Amino acid sequence: AQTVTQSQPEMSVQEAETVTLSCTYDTSENNYYLFWYKQPPSRQMILVIRQEAYKQQNATENRFSVNFQKAAKSFSLKISDSQLGDTAMYFCAFMKMEYGNKLVFGAGTILRVKS
Amino acid sequence: ETGVTQSPTHLIKTRGQQVTLRCSSQSGHNTVSWYQQALGQGPQFIFQYYREEENGRGNFPPRFSGLQFPNYSSELNVNALELDDSALYLCASSFGGNDEKLFFGSGTQLSVL
Repeated sequence: AQTVTQSQPEMSVQEAETVTLSCTYDTSENNYYLFWYKQPPSRQMILVIRQEAYKQQNATENRFSVNFQKAAKSFSLKISDSQLGDTAMYFCAFMKMEYGNKLVFGAGTILRVKS
Repeated sequence: ETGVTQSPTHLIKTRGQQVTLRCSSQSGHNTVSWYQQALGQGPQFIFQYYREEENGRGNFPPRFSGLQFPNYSSELNVNALELDDSALYLCASSFGGNDEKLFFGSGTQLSVL
């Protein structure tokens, strides 16, 4: 079974600064996806960024980038130029690359961006 | 294209009652997955429906059941409600059972008293 661990229950950052959220996972699979989702107070889960395990290049989406270390089973999210609208719960998630797209989520990290 | 919609947004039930939650999938999607998110935790996979058939189930008892209709909308039914069933229930739709692009609704907040 796969597990996802987020060791930072809460983080805070000043507006315009950079913050990194940590995530580790455990799996015996070789082909999988990793995700970071954002859940604002509206409760809707919003995809921030996705990484395919077979790709060595780290994914980037505007101000969001990841540091994917497959051997270490680590998948951190870096948010640059933090904005007040980035305040939310962030979840790291794992999905096997096979039929049945079940997500396994970590417990989440609350990120507060301060002005 | 329309997004994923869930109803109702909030619901209060008492222990022992039954509840039905509804989800309309995004236009063009044929797969619906349900997740339970307890307070302060990450969502946990309940089950998935693909073309009206259950296609995978998480570690939830049989009193959690579901349906998918020909228009690919879905229902989650929970019988004999327990206090621990209080949670946010999220629905996600996708195109196919192995599509990694899931689109989530805003959830139904269920409170069991």
